[in-house]
Parts: sequence; structure tokens; C-alpha cells
Amino acid sequence: SQKIEQNSEALNIQEGKTATLTCNYTNYSPAYLQWYRQDPGRGPVFLLLIRENEKEKRKERLKVTFDTTLKQSLFHITASQPADSATYLCALVPDTGGFKTIFGAGTRLFVKA
Amino acid sequence: SQTIHQWPATLVQPVGSPLSLECTVEGTSNPNLYWYRQAAGRGLQLLFYSVGIGQISSEVPQNLSASRPQDRQFILSSKKLLLSDSGFYLCAWSPGPPTGELFFGEGSRLTVL
Repeated sequence: SQKIEQNSEALNIQEGKTATLTCNYTNYSPAYLQWYRQDPGRGPVFLLLIRENEKEKRKERLKVTFDTTLKQSLFHITASQPADSATYLCALVPDTGGFKTIFGAGTRLFVKA
Repeated sequence: SQTIHQWPATLVQPVGSPLSLECTVEGTSNPNLYWYRQAAGRGLQLLFYSVGIGQISSEVPQNLSASRPQDRQFILSSKKLLLSDSGFYLCAWSPGPPTGELFFGEGSRLTVL
């Protein structure tokens, strides 16, 4: 069956450290993979997308990798801050040229001061 | 710039009552529009999407329906709510394939009693 899996356990890290979140997918061959941030009671906010032919993408303190062999994306936040505490969702469009975006359940990140 | 508005923000309805959630997008034309539902502590479930006026695709058979009477308006409805319809409903727009990134509204919290 098709699955997008993110660590359901919350990630707790100390301020200033690098947070690394994992997204694994099964039985998909996405051309693009996306990452979103969601704060409690709010809608998700699009952060980054990475193409299948890009190994790595950066935006300020954020870095995303995409390994189509491992079927995995890693999302890194460097020099993390308490304001980075949120749930982070990965998502993909299953079919090239398709209209549906499918989400993982998300990983909750807590950054302690 | 593009904006998306969704209302009402909070709704408490009795079982068997009707529902209407509305979403409008500004600053773009012919967007792809989406309704997602998020149960407490769960991921985003795609309910409906639309690629044009009057064109609705349903992803999950359920007690809900969607309509797109105008290019930038998307409505989620039910004739008779069930307890299981409770949840956080999110409208989103996308510029479309191939990348498919979504831009969400602030959400509507529905409680069915």
C-alpha cells in the first residue's frame, strides 16, 4: 500500500542545536516533495519543495534532502530557536501532472530555551 | 499577492443540522482549490479538489459535498451533520502541476454535538 511516514513521536531538542525530521514514503514515485509548518489551531504554511533531481535544497536555516533511492526526505533546521516549535508535515504529489497532494501525519518539534 | 479567506472560523452544530463552509481566494485566477479535514492529532485527509468552475473531484465517500460556483469560491456543505464530521477543515489553493504546493486558509473548527 502507499504510505507517507513521519516519526509520530515528538522531537525535543535544545535551542541552538540542529533538528532533523524524517519523511519516508512507500509505493510512490514523486517528482516533487514538499515540507510545511503547522502551528496549533492554524493552517499549514508551505516552506520548501525539492525536485527529484535535486539532492539538497536550502532556505535560510532550513535544509531539505531528497533521496529517491531510499525513498526518504530529511528536513533540517539549523541553530534552532524556540519559535521553531511546531508540527512539520511532508507532502507529495503522487502523479506527475496530478492535482492531489498527499500529506504525512507530521512530526511535532519542541525547541527548549 | 494572493490571499485565501475561510469562514466561519469556529462552528458548533447539532447532529442532523446542515453545514456550509466557504472559502475565497484573491489575487489569482483559475486556482486549483482543495478541502482537507484534520482530525485531532492526525494528518490531513483530502476531501475534495477542483480544477475549475463546476468541476469537483471527491476523494472520500462521506456525508459532505463541495461546490465551486465561481472561479475563486469553494464551498463545503452537508445536508445532515454526523458526530464523525467534527474536525478541523482547511481550504487551500494551488497554482497547479507540476509542483503542487498548497497555500492554506486559517481553518474552520467544526464541533458536532
